[in-house]
Amino acid sequence: VQLQESGPGLVRPSETLSLTCTVSGGSISSSYWSWIRQPPGKGLEWIGYISDSGSTKYIPSLQSRVTISLDTSMQQLSLNLRSVTAADTAVYYCVTLSYEFGELTYFESWGQGALVTVSS
Amino acid sequence: YVLTQPPSVSVAPGETARITCGGNNIGGRSVHWYQQRPGQAPMLVIWYDSDRRSGIPERFSGSNSGNTATLTISSVEAGDEADYYCQVWDLDSDQGVFGGGTKVTVL
Repeated sequence: VQLQESGPGLVRPSETLSLTCTVSGGSISSSYWSWIRQPPGKGLEWIGYISDSGSTKYIPSLQSRVTISLDTSMQQLSLNLRSVTAADTAVYYCVTLSYEFGELTYFESWGQGALVTVSS
Repeated sequence: YVLTQPPSVSVAPGETARITCGGNNIGGRSVHWYQQRPGQAPMLVIWYDSDRRSGIPERFSGSNSGNTATLTISSVEAGDEADYYCQVWDLDSDQGVFGGGTKVTVL
């Protein structure tokens, strides 16, 4: 499966960061999906996941501001992060999340990432 | 759940690099390892503690016991210079958890 993130590279503080991930080479409705971000020069932070049935789970620190959704007709995964600040500046990755033996496990396929800068 | 990695490891070419990932009773969890070369997206290299992904050289191996998981890179090459991250899925909180990452420098 191939993943390609797209969206604005610059977002103003207090506005909403919106990214789309286009999936090819596999069905978006038969897997779990995650968004992971990486601030410049720092480590990886898992943001959340959405299942093939549309159920979601988010990291508590972002839960009040984030929404992950699927558009199965378009084969797209979306991320919306509201009320952004400079601390949300990061490369955002769209990732497949493997579900095996009844458990979520590892992140198998990664998009190339999209750098989003929050600045006025 | 917290995973702790050393910030950096330095190794001469041909030597062995060992990258540790500490966590409370991590031996009871499945640990996965990712390699991130400069300017690239992370790539899964080891899953379920010690299974190499297809195409990953045998020089890469993993182990997990007690409170420490370890990624070992034997006969290190210049191309192995990268950041390495360990990861588990925390069943209690239903969250993905990463270690802070270890930068491997080939001297």
